[in-house]
Amino acid sequence: EAGVTQSPRYAVLQEGQAVSFWCDPISGHDTLYWYQQPRDQGPQLLVYFRDEAVIDNSQLPSDRFSAVRPKGTNSTLKIQSAKQGDTATYLCASSRGHSSYEQYFGPGTRLTVL
Amino acid sequence: GDSVTQTEGLVTVTEGLPVKLNCTYQTTYLTIAFFWYVQYLNEAPQVLLRSSTDNKRTEHQGFHATLHKSSSSFHLQKSSAQLSDSALYYCALSQSGSFNKLTFGAGTRLAVCP
Repeated sequence: EAGVTQSPRYAVLQEGQAVSFWCDPISGHDTLYWYQQPRDQGPQLLVYFRDEAVIDNSQLPSDRFSAVRPKGTNSTLKIQSAKQGDTATYLCASSRGHSSYEQYFGPGTRLTVL
Repeated sequence: GDSVTQTEGLVTVTEGLPVKLNCTYQTTYLTIAFFWYVQYLNEAPQVLLRSSTDNKRTEHQGFHATLHKSSSSFHLQKSSAQLSDSALYYCALSQSGSFNKLTFGAGTRLAVCP
């Protein structure tokens, strides 16, 4: 079974530029999560979906961040006008509903905003 | 909201000696699941242990942890540390029935020295 895949693996931007991250969850996993992991900190949940519906995006900085999962499979996280404080690794994870508590993480995208 | 506290940022131990990583939590929910995730260098976090049963020891790959709701703790232990155990360890909790929304601690880096 293929794991969670993410691209790109690395991104370097100047402040004010936009960037998109892409995630392909494990096949059959209906729940998808995006986390932000600043250096030397634990992952912090940004947003998560059940199928194509947003369940909770309360931690997503809505003025610059957006996330979609239009067909309930792949997902895109976008940052408009990146700031230096956005420098972090962005992790995508998926799980099979809430009958199993385990989330499977992708390798992440390491973002550096100069 | 929920919170998870890992008091040590770095734990250094000599190979073959026991190691303990501390984890305490605060939550208002009665039904919760707990995890230890391990993250090796440049890899995604992966589940090491999970538990939702009070006072029951859980073991995997030589590590063990026991959830103690009376003291709000879920410490991770190993009787004999190995060089390959060097990694970042995160304690996390999930509210049952909330689509596995995870709250992570800040993480503890374990360095096992020869």
